[in-house]
Amino acid sequence: GNSVTQMEGPVTLSEEAFLTINCTYTATGYPSLFWYVQYPGEGLQLLLKATKADDKGSNKGFEATYRKETTSFHLEKGSVQVSDSAVYFCALRGAGGYNKLIFGAGTRLAVHP
Amino acid sequence: DTGVSQDPRHKITKRGQNVTFRCDPISEHNRLYWYRQTLGQGPEFLTYFQNEAQLEKSRLLSDRFSAERPKGSFSTLEIQRTEQGDSAMYLCASSLKDRGTGNTIYFGEGSWLTVV
Repeated sequence: GNSVTQMEGPVTLSEEAFLTINCTYTATGYPSLFWYVQYPGEGLQLLLKATKADDKGSNKGFEATYRKETTSFHLEKGSVQVSDSAVYFCALRGAGGYNKLIFGAGTRLAVHP
Repeated sequence: DTGVSQDPRHKITKRGQNVTFRCDPISEHNRLYWYRQTLGQGPEFLTYFQNEAQLEKSRLLSDRFSAERPKGSFSTLEIQRTEQGDSAMYLCASSLKDRGTGNTIYFGEGSWLTVV
């Protein structure tokens, strides 16, 4: 079945450092891929998405490229801020129909001044 | 646009009691989802509605759980005879069946359940 694997956290960085959070997936066909962010005590917010191979999703300085050859969708940001501290979830939605989102376990990011 | 609204945000209940959560999706969204999230884990799919029809239920949804969406708008999730293992955040999400929007799924802020 479809699944998502994320790097384990927590990831601890200093402000302005470069961020990479790895995400790989297993799926049949051509899924859509997503990154969601969850701030403390809140629900999930969509950060970015990509719906086909080689698409790059971007938002708020974050980027991720849909790599079908490596089945990956790594999240990157060139310069993190303290306000980026949150839990980041990689997710996929199977091809066709309504298909539900399947999430990874999440990666906690802590950014220190 | 008011987003997905969930109520209550927090609920503490004694083991064996029944609890009900309500979700109001984004207006005109015809698809509605329920997920459960435990500490340190990603959300897990529970069930899905398209309009008023419940089209899929996860094996996680035991007989003690029931979800409804009677008029294709708001939804309720009821847990009967709660157990400590039911303690989690229950997330509701909605989307619009429209290829033009990419079917983005929007989440509410969740309802925290603590069973003591």
